[in-house]
Amino acid sequence: DAGVIQSPRHEVTEMGQEVTLRCKPISGHDYLFWYRQTMMRGLELLIYFNNNVPIDDSGMPEDRFSAKMPNASFSTLKIQPSEPRDSAVYFCASSLAGTPQETQYFGPGTRLLVL
Amino acid sequence: AQSVAQPEDQVNVAEGNPLTVKCTYSVSGNPYLFWYVQYPNRGLQFLLKYITGDNLVKGSYGFEAEFNKSQTSFHLKKPSALVSDSALYFCAVRDMNTGNQFYFGTGTSLTVIP
Repeated sequence: DAGVIQSPRHEVTEMGQEVTLRCKPISGHDYLFWYRQTMMRGLELLIYFNNNVPIDDSGMPEDRFSAKMPNASFSTLKIQPSEPRDSAVYFCASSLAGTPQETQYFGPGTRLLVL
Repeated sequence: AQSVAQPEDQVNVAEGNPLTVKCTYSVSGNPYLFWYVQYPNRGLQFLLKYITGDNLVKGSYGFEAEFNKSQTSFHLKKPSALVSDSALYFCAVRDMNTGNQFYFGTGTSLTVIP
């Protein structure tokens, strides 16, 4: 398996632009998580899905952020409009739910810079 | 409430010396505990986990962790540190009672000095 795939790996955009981050979880995994990592705030959980349904989006910073999972193999995190304070590394992770032994597998991340 | 604490932001250790990265946890039910490592410009990688059984868990790259229920701790250890172990380490707890969510600590930056 290729692991969790994220695209793009790097994104540089200007304030006010729309940004879309993409994630393909590991095949067969039924949980998908979006995280944001910054020096100031560390690793933050933004939202997670189970079987394509959003379970907890309480970590989403504000209405400018939205996430979707139209099918089991694809998810997007969108920021519209983007702001400089959104600059961070965004990670997608997936896992199986069934038993607590199942660990979480992370993608390589998308490094976002908003100018 | 579920939480994980990593009391040290930074740990420095000389190459060849034993290392310990501390983690304490708080959960309402049975703790399912994990350690992850993050190398520069990379995603988090799974190191080891405690689910049940033997309190000493062995993982990747020679790391191990000791589960201590009375102290609610899950410290990461390695008998002899390598320079290549320098990275950011995250402790996490999974709570099956609250939607399978993972709760991560703030991370500890480990530097192994040659």
